[in-house]
Amino acid sequence: ETGVTQSPTHLIKTRGQQVTLRCSSQSGHNTVSWYQQALGQGPQFIFQYYREEENGRGNFPPRFSGLQFPNYSSELNVNALELDDSALYLCASSLPGQMYQETQYFGPGTRLLVL
Amino acid sequence: ELKVEQNPLFLSMQEGKNYTIYCNYSTTSDRLYWYRQDPGKSLESLFVLLSNGAVKQEGRLMASLDTKARLSTLHITAAVHDLSATYFCAVDAMRGYQKVTFGTGTKLQVIP
Repeated sequence: ETGVTQSPTHLIKTRGQQVTLRCSSQSGHNTVSWYQQALGQGPQFIFQYYREEENGRGNFPPRFSGLQFPNYSSELNVNALELDDSALYLCASSLPGQMYQETQYFGPGTRLLVL
Repeated sequence: ELKVEQNPLFLSMQEGKNYTIYCNYSTTSDRLYWYRQDPGKSLESLFVLLSNGAVKQEGRLMASLDTKARLSTLHITAAVHDLSATYFCAVDAMRGYQKVTFGTGTKLQVIP
């Protein structure tokens, strides 16, 4: 157990809809990253939040957005869902004060299916 | 753009045998991670390698890092069935924030 939780565990949406995925980090973990893992692939970095601000982004369009809250929870929002957005979405948190953190703690993931 | 390549992609081996998974990356970095993922599960951190020449061992797994060759290896000694999983290496691009790029993974099957 990493102490990182995600909700929901599974989700089915239709193309064009919007979705919000949630992550709760361990207390004190003020850095959170989100990843998209398509079936049979390695996780791809979406973005990272540090102290409630986005401080890095991968090659994902603006319809992928996020929020981080003072209570160490965070959200990933995806607008205008496309079929290719079907994937496992993972959040990962890390200890404070570590810009290049040594360990990321991954949550169990949310599996999103877009029909 | 940082590229991370693993080989082999698939590995089927008998219990008791030794084997090595290779991870090559395309740009300078001295921060490399190894993860394990069981089917339908999340990622479990195995090793964090933070400098050239770093070597870490846990049970039957040993990881090493050669930053000059941009190569990391994950060596499996006397494999057992419980090691069956997908193994990912991941490299930190060190862009002022932690942007971690994962390899494609190596699916390991250990046959009793």
